[in-house]
Formats: sequence, C-alpha cells, structure tokens
Amino acid sequence: NAGVMQNPRHLVRRRGQEARLRCSPMKGHSHVYWYRQLPEEGLKFMVYLQKENIIDESGMPKERFSAEFPKEGPSILRIQQVVRGDSAAYFCASSPEGGSGNTIYFGEGSWLTVV
Amino acid sequence: AQKVTQAQTEISVVEKEDVTLDCVYETRDTTYYLFWYKQPPSGELVFLIRRNSFDEQNEISGRYSWNFQKSTSSFNFTITASQVVDSAVYFCALRNVVTGGGNKLTFGTGTQLKVEL
Repeated sequence: NAGVMQNPRHLVRRRGQEARLRCSPMKGHSHVYWYRQLPEEGLKFMVYLQKENIIDESGMPKERFSAEFPKEGPSILRIQQVVRGDSAAYFCASSPEGGSGNTIYFGEGSWLTVV
Repeated sequence: AQKVTQAQTEISVVEKEDVTLDCVYETRDTTYYLFWYKQPPSGELVFLIRRNSFDEQNEISGRYSWNFQKSTSSFNFTITASQVVDSAVYFCALRNVVTGGGNKLTFGTGTQLKVEL
C-alpha cells in the first residue's frame, strides 16, 4: 500500500525561477491538502483540493502560488518567481473523503531551497 | 478561531525515563478531532493517533498513551520508558467540524524530544 507520494524530495531553485511540487494521494483517496512548514515552525494549511476543484485556498499566499488537482495525474503546487522566503518544507496530505473525522495522511515532504 | 499550544519547545530525557508532551487547544466547536503526529529527523510526518471530542477515554498503545481532558482542553501524550528512536518533533493538531472549513488541521508549533543514552 503506497502512501502519499511526493516529488521531488529536495528542490533547489534560484530566485525568480518556478518551483513545481507534485503529490500523488494514497490509493482510494480523492482529497488532497498542502501544508507548508517554515524553519522552526509548525505546519500551516495552504489549500484543500478535490479532483478538479479547489475547496479551500484560504491559506495560500495571494500571489505567485497556485495549486491544482486534475482529473488525471498528481496534484501540483506551483510557486512562480520564487523568493528566499519560500524556502520551506511543503507537505502534501490526503484523505479518503472530506469528512472531518477522517485521518489525514501526510507524504514525506518536499524541501524547497531558494538560493 | 482554532489554536493549538505546545508550550514545551524542547525536552531532553535520558533513555528509559517517562516523558509527557503537553497540548492545549482552543476551539468554539463542540465537535472536533485531535491528532498527534511524529516528525523524526528524516522529516516525514507520521500519524500517531486521532481522537474525537466525544470520546474522553484515555488510550494506550504500547509505550504511548494519551490523556484527553475536555474540561482543561488538553490532549497530552506520554511516552513510557523512552528510547533513542523516540527522538523527534511531535505535533499536536486540531481539526474542527464545520461546513466549508472542516478539513484544515491547525497545528501546534511542535515539541522537540531528545532522548539520550
């Protein structure tokens, strides 16, 4: 049983470049969440998606960040024109449905370093 | 608004000692879920336990136990006879049950546990 799969695990980008982080949910899960962990901080919610729909993006920065979860393929978190402050660990999580009682399982994270 | 407080930033213990990690939460909801996750040095987040607000029974799983007290809004986590492999950052999290907003986890800032020989 594969868990939540994220890639790449580590990504280095120069300021101004684009970063794309991918997430494949656990088998049977149709709900995906992205969280960001800044150095020395806890995880902060960014966005919640179902297939082809953004349900809640209240934690997403207004500019440069976008997320999608297409009908086919992984969910993608895109960060355009990265800045040093975007350096963080980005965690994807999934659950079988949106019910609040379900456990959310996390992937291993993608560590973005902006140089 | 939801809030989770883990007042202990870092705890160091010697192997075989018992250790309790504190978690205090705030929510206006009567129905909610509480979680603990472990983040070892390798970085992944490992699910440990989920507890709903209507179930105040304490739970034990091997060397791990959880004490949920609704009266004090606390969900503390105890590791008995700690081992070096328990060294990690532990996060407490809260998930509310509200239409349109019931799927976010609000995390505490984590407690770094160091278990030394």
